[in-house]
Amino acid sequence: QVQLVESGGGVVQPGRSLRLSCAASGFTFSSYGMHWVRQAPGKGLEWVALMSYNGRDKYYADSVKGRFTISRDNSKNTLYLQMDSLRAEDTAVYYCVKDGQSYGDYVWCGDWGQGTPVTVSS
Amino acid sequence: DIVMTQSPDSLAVSLGERATINCKSSQSVLYSSNKKNYFAWYQQKPGQPPKLLIYWASTRESGVPDRFSGSGSGTDFTLTINNLQAEDVAVYYCQQYYSNPRTFGQGTKLEIK
Repeated sequence: QVQLVESGGGVVQPGRSLRLSCAASGFTFSSYGMHWVRQAPGKGLEWVALMSYNGRDKYYADSVKGRFTISRDNSKNTLYLQMDSLRAEDTAVYYCVKDGQSYGDYVWCGDWGQGTPVTVSS
Repeated sequence: DIVMTQSPDSLAVSLGERATINCKSSQSVLYSSNKKNYFAWYQQKPGQPPKLLIYWASTRESGVPDRFSGSGSGTDFTLTINNLQAEDVAVYYCQQYYSNPRTFGQGTKLEIK
């Protein structure tokens, strides 16, 4: 079955950086677009970024554009999120999410990991 | 960006009754070339990640009970839960995947009356 295991979260000071990882298994990772979605404490869901199955295309929410970078290593079945210039408002649980369809259109958020918490605080 | 607005923000329904949640998008998410609505519903139970319920506005994900149904097209969508069960207590979110950035509704909290 699909498994998505996020890691790398923690407490970080404003302005610093953090890199999240997502180890994927149970499916052909290189065939699927992958997303990051976050959820601030007690709040709703916010889509953060999407990377195409082959790594060529990347899309970002306006709130993180220029500060966050999504990447992937298909040889390691791993998705990453490099977060720079972190702000208090980036505090959230970050979910790694597998797209609902292989190749082609990038569609709904299919399978979700358990999430990794990130706290930005001095 | 497409804004997704859910109503109500919360509702309480008796066991065995029907719950109805609405979602309106600020522009159509119906793709004219394939006549598909790029729209999904998710369920999030306390302490858990969200779970996909419905995609293409009305297609149930595998394993989702048939008491969950989605309807609507264009800009107006509805999630209906028939014969409400205690395990349906959750927050429900709509999402459009018509364009980037993907956007979610603010969520609707469903409780038992």
